[in-house]
Amino acid sequence: NAGVTQTPKFRILKIGQSMTLQCAQDMNHNYMYWYRQDPGMGLKLIYYSVGAGITDKGEVPNGYNVSRSTTEDFPLRLELAAPSQTSVYFCASSYAGTAAEKDNSPLHFGNGTRLTVT
Amino acid sequence: EDKVVQSPLSLVVHEGDTVTLNCSYEVTNFRSLLWYKQEKKAPTFLFMLTSSGIEKKSGRLSSILDKKELFSILNITATQTGDSAIYLCAVGETSGSRLTFGEGTQLTVNP
Repeated sequence: NAGVTQTPKFRILKIGQSMTLQCAQDMNHNYMYWYRQDPGMGLKLIYYSVGAGITDKGEVPNGYNVSRSTTEDFPLRLELAAPSQTSVYFCASSYAGTAAEKDNSPLHFGNGTRLTVT
Repeated sequence: EDKVVQSPLSLVVHEGDTVTLNCSYEVTNFRSLLWYKQEKKAPTFLFMLTSSGIEKKSGRLSSILDKKELFSILNITATQTGDSAIYLCAVGETSGSRLTFGEGTQLTVNP
């Protein structure tokens, strides 16, 4: 299994440009998440999904959009990039088929995408 | 609003020292507390704690949860330079699938 795969690893955007950060997992996980991590800070949840076709906002959703058309993929879209979106973005997934599994299923993280907006 | 506070924010020790990292939290419906280690890239899972007073142990690392006082500690004994990393604490609620992360503790172990 490749686990959680994120692309690209690095990207530099100009203000106002748009891009999509890709995330794919091959573990048949139903839950997927997007976090951002600013320097010296913990992770902030942007959006998450509990299954294909279902998405919901996290703590910091403004300026982002997501979709979940398949179990495997959970892309994150930035429409009008701003310097405040300079960060490292982590995608994560977990599996919960039952309530007990949900309580005991830690996140598996991708290696991150480092985004700079100038 | 859910809150997770870690202390200290950074710590520098020498190899062989023992360290204790702290995590306190305020969440509405606590389900679990997790510790992650983050080196250069993705956080890697260390422990999940759901019950008070039960120590989880893995090699030189151990962790315990106090649900009455709303905190957890992560202990690392006989530290090595490879323990240098950011240690993240996160708390999950029963009402949803999301984790709230603390800011992390940057641990540096010098030879």
